[in-house]
Amino acid sequence: KAGVTQTPRYLIKTRGQQVTLSCSPISGHRSVSWYQQTPGQGLQFLFEYFSETQRNKGNFPGRFSGRQFSNSRSEMNVSTLELGDSALYLCASSLASTGLYEQYFGPGTRLTVT
Amino acid sequence: AQKVTQAQTEISVVEKEDVTLDCVYETRDTTYYLFWYKQPPSGELVFLIRRNSFDEQNEISGRYSWNFQKSTSSFNFTITASQVVDSAVYFCALSEAENRDDKIIFGKGTRLHILP
Repeated sequence: KAGVTQTPRYLIKTRGQQVTLSCSPISGHRSVSWYQQTPGQGLQFLFEYFSETQRNKGNFPGRFSGRQFSNSRSEMNVSTLELGDSALYLCASSLASTGLYEQYFGPGTRLTVT
Repeated sequence: AQKVTQAQTEISVVEKEDVTLDCVYETRDTTYYLFWYKQPPSGELVFLIRRNSFDEQNEISGRYSWNFQKSTSSFNFTITASQVVDSAVYFCALSEAENRDDKIIFGKGTRLHILP
């Protein structure tokens, strides 16, 4: 069974631009979560989608948004990029609730904002 | 509020030594889940174990073992006879089942160096 895939793997953007990251979950998994990982803040939860609906959202500004499609693929968008948005963005999928089921992570997208 | 503390930021041991990674958690819920993940240099988090709050039985999987003690709110991870391939950052995480947000909280991680 194929794992979680994320595209692109690396991205360099300029401050003020916007970016869209993509995540394809493991086949059959309906829950997709996004995390931001930085050296200073560690792993922080961004949001989770289940059946095309955002179930919950972490403490991030409105510039961070996402969506999930009917095939469970998810995209994350960051508008008006700031230098502090430079991070590894990880996507994880699970069968259903992230608490009840283990999550499987993708390789991440490393975003650098200059 | 839920919280996960991994007090050891970095550990170095010589290959074949045993090493224990500590994890202390805080939660007000009676039903919760604890996880350990490994993040090798490639960056992809690898699921190691999930334990629910009602199952305090220790678990062993090959060279890995986990000690769950609700009395001390700890979920420690031991690697026996460590190998260089065990070098990675290890994260402990907590998810509260009764938390409507249903999100998972990670500790800051412990960077483990296994020296040949």
